[in-house]
Amino acid sequence: DADVTQTPRNRITKTGKRIMLECSQTKGHDRMYWYRQDPGLGLRLIYYSFDVKDINKGEISDGYSVSRQAQAKFSLSLESAIPNQTALYFCATSDPSLTSGRSPDTQYFGPGTRLTVL
Amino acid sequence: AQSVAQPEDQVNVAEGNPLTVKCTYSVSGNPYLFWYVQYPNRGLQFLLKYITGDNLVKGSYGFEAEFNKSQTSFHLKKPSALVSDSALYFCAVRDMRLSWGKFQFGAGTQVVVTP
Repeated sequence: DADVTQTPRNRITKTGKRIMLECSQTKGHDRMYWYRQDPGLGLRLIYYSFDVKDINKGEISDGYSVSRQAQAKFSLSLESAIPNQTALYFCATSDPSLTSGRSPDTQYFGPGTRLTVL
Repeated sequence: AQSVAQPEDQVNVAEGNPLTVKCTYSVSGNPYLFWYVQYPNRGLQFLLKYITGDNLVKGSYGFEAEFNKSQTSFHLKKPSALVSDSALYFCAVRDMRLSWGKFQFGAGTQVVVTP
């Protein structure tokens, strides 16, 4: 887990505030992902990036934006936080070169950021 | 469309007994299947994956999973559970035909192993 770090680990904010969650990795992976975890819903993909110039929306991107500042850094922003964005947020990385053929690359997760929007 | 179901919110087992965590999936094509474990205050850790080949996949910490295409299942198993196996377990699936980023995770199953 130390290869993928997330800051802050916990954050409490108010409705309407802009929040940025940061993810850094030392694994040298090109692919990075942002998920949110809600009880009973598992993990849902917010955004993913296959390299610095490639960013894609996931299944629940509304209300979120991302920035891939470098290969090692992928930030998630909540432009105007709302209470239903209260969740546990995970960053993940992967490297397709570690697998052969068309196998999907394994994702490696950070420790998570617990965000509470009041 | 792809989906994955973990029918049990929680599984309770005594230490030393066999542990099974159930997962069923639905994809249009052939599936890639994963199991991850989440310990308290930690991120998800990869346990094992099924890509192709042998239906019995062995992974980390003594876990294994059996792919059953006819029942569209990928149950996680451990012959003898440890108290330290208490954690939240997630099954994930991806249709081979979809783009790399789109994994579908189950809701998770809490495993409680009692001494």
